[in-house]
Amino acid sequence: GAVVSQHPSRVICKSGTSVKIECRSLDFQATTMFWYRQFPKQSLMLMATSNEGSKATYEQGVEKDKFLINHASLTLSTLTVTSAHPEDSSFYICSAPGGASGSWSYNEQFFGPGTRLTVL
Amino acid sequence: AQSVAQPEDQVNVAEGNPLTVKCTYSVSGNPYLFWYVQYPNRGLQFLLKYITGDNLVKGSYGFEAEFNKSQTSFHLKKPSALVSDSALYFCAVRDTGGKLIFGQGTELSVKP
Repeated sequence: GAVVSQHPSRVICKSGTSVKIECRSLDFQATTMFWYRQFPKQSLMLMATSNEGSKATYEQGVEKDKFLINHASLTLSTLTVTSAHPEDSSFYICSAPGGASGSWSYNEQFFGPGTRLTVL
Repeated sequence: AQSVAQPEDQVNVAEGNPLTVKCTYSVSGNPYLFWYVQYPNRGLQFLLKYITGDNLVKGSYGFEAEFNKSQTSFHLKKPSALVSDSALYFCAVRDTGGKLIFGQGTELSVKP
């Protein structure tokens, strides 16, 4: 099956710094990727839809200037948490839909292993 | 708006017994439903999906799910649970633009 990787798997940073998380589709192209946030033992909250070559679409309540998304190629999307604060500490997961763009609705999404962000 | 609900935060089952993890949905139009499993500190793994066709869907690791339109349910089942099945299970429904809307998650614990 298709593989999605994330880097880093774990990051600890000081409050006020920025952190970049990479999401790569390893053996397929992804014109769209999704970014989620998950708190311990809770559900995934969709943050934004990353679109290759265009601006990301953010869900209601997600700060665009706080969570910068760049989808510069067909295999790479990045999420940058700017001026991170302790409340940004969370598990961030990306995913990419399988299949051709016309069949997204019918195919499963492939998820990265996640990135654990801890802001001190 | 599309939504799914998982009424149980936790399900406890003895190894070898059948297991059921419940999911109900609310959608406009035809539902596209999915089940995913998450092991600790890992991403989600796809188990199975219902798009159309047979109401009983078979998936990975011996899991299956039954789509019930009249009850708007899509419960996940397995005839004989394994300790290694212990994990967090998510039901999801497709929303516009291919987005997935997830349920709250159900923690499955299988004891020897």
